[in-house]
Amino acid sequence: SSELTQDPAVSVALGQTVRITCQGDSLRRYYASWYQQKPGQAPVLVIYGKNNRPSGIPHRFSGSSSGNTASLTITGAQAEDEADYYCNSRDSSGNHRDVVFGGGTKVTVL
Amino acid sequence: QVQLQQWGAGLLKPSETLSLTCVVYGGSFSGYYWTWIRQPPGKGLEWIGEINHSGSTNYNPSLKSRVTISVDTSRNQFSLKLTSVTAADTAVYYCARADIVLVEAAQLVYYYYMDVWGKGTTVTVSS
Repeated sequence: SSELTQDPAVSVALGQTVRITCQGDSLRRYYASWYQQKPGQAPVLVIYGKNNRPSGIPHRFSGSSSGNTASLTITGAQAEDEADYYCNSRDSSGNHRDVVFGGGTKVTVL
Repeated sequence: QVQLQQWGAGLLKPSETLSLTCVVYGGSFSGYYWTWIRQPPGKGLEWIGEINHSGSTNYNPSLKSRVTISVDTSRNQFSLKLTSVTAADTAVYYCARADIVLVEAAQLVYYYYMDVWGKGTTVTVSS
């Protein structure tokens, strides 16, 4: 089955820009979706598709993709953006039956 | 606005069967994949499996032998059963709504997302 690889942790200064990446073969066939999870809370979808934000997600969140790599960018990071971020797609091998998550990236806002 | 409400037993003994249910409020039940995900303490998200409104299922290969997901469309709810639990099954279990969209037909490019999540149920397996 396919895997999605994320860096375990990144830090960003308040108001600066941070990019989180996700790599995997399935991303050549699927745009990644991205989820934000704060401690003790359920994940929240922040980006899906080419670069779509669900209602209520701030414009500072954006997504991009190239080859087997997807990226989530936070432009002008705020203190409330400190969280774990997970990428996700379906496994494009076989019959696209399985779903895969990246291992998560912990974002610290300094 | 679609909401998912989930419930089930939170404390199990080894070898027992985990049973959780998730009910869908405020939206259509058809046309989506109704999904279970879990998260062991301090770890990442793990997909357990999914079912659509017609009852077609997909399961994580690592759990397939122990998992059953079922649907009751008359009650807009779906359920998870995981047999022969061990301490390794201790986790927060989430239900979620998922969808797949074909965006580039010529190159068969899609996107997949889970846009509505339940609040999670903490399940602890301990003797």
